[in-house]
Amino acid sequence: NAGVTQTPKFQVLKTGQSMTLQCAQDMNHNSMYWYRQDPGMGLRLIYYSASEGTTDKGEVPNGYNVSRLNKREFSLRLESAAPSQTSVYFCASGRGRDTEAFFGQGTRLTVV
Amino acid sequence: GESVGLHLPTLSVQEGDNSIINCAYSNSASDYFIWYKQESGKGPQFIIDIRSNMDKRQGQRVTVLLNKTVKHLSLQIAATQPGDSAVYFCAETRRDDKIIFGKGTRLHILP
Repeated sequence: NAGVTQTPKFQVLKTGQSMTLQCAQDMNHNSMYWYRQDPGMGLRLIYYSASEGTTDKGEVPNGYNVSRLNKREFSLRLESAAPSQTSVYFCASGRGRDTEAFFGQGTRLTVV
Repeated sequence: GESVGLHLPTLSVQEGDNSIINCAYSNSASDYFIWYKQESGKGPQFIIDIRSNMDKRQGQRVTVLLNKTVKHLSLQIAATQPGDSAVYFCAETRRDDKIIFGKGTRLHILP
């Protein structure tokens, strides 16, 4: 099993460009999450989805949108990228409440 | 707002010694806690968890202690090895299903 797969692994965007980060899990998990990790800031929750068809804001949702396409896939969209969105983005999935989340390998995004 | 935090950003430990990484949390409604290990260039990896109805849980070479009175978590690593070098995060799961992370502690192993 691949676990949690994120694409792309690296991306450079110009300010104002849009893009979608893709995430898929093959563990039949209900919950999925998007985090960003900046140096010295730990992981901050952007959005999460407790089940297919539901999404909710996390700690830092501004500038992002998400889609829970089906149980396997949870995408993160940047409509108009800004340099402040330069970060490493992690997708994660879990069985549900009070269970651990499993993480992908991350997408390193640079906005110039 | 409420957050999970850590006392020390960097911890240096002699190889073979025990390591203790501390974490404070402020949300008294949190009922599930997780420790993650993150190696350079990789995603966080689950180490051990503990529920709020427990005080202690042991795994292989790791122990997590939970003190609900003072809202404090610790991760103890026995006989620290070079492969334990990483950043360690505590995280809490809140009743709205959010998993919130602390800032992390870098564990550095001295030869």
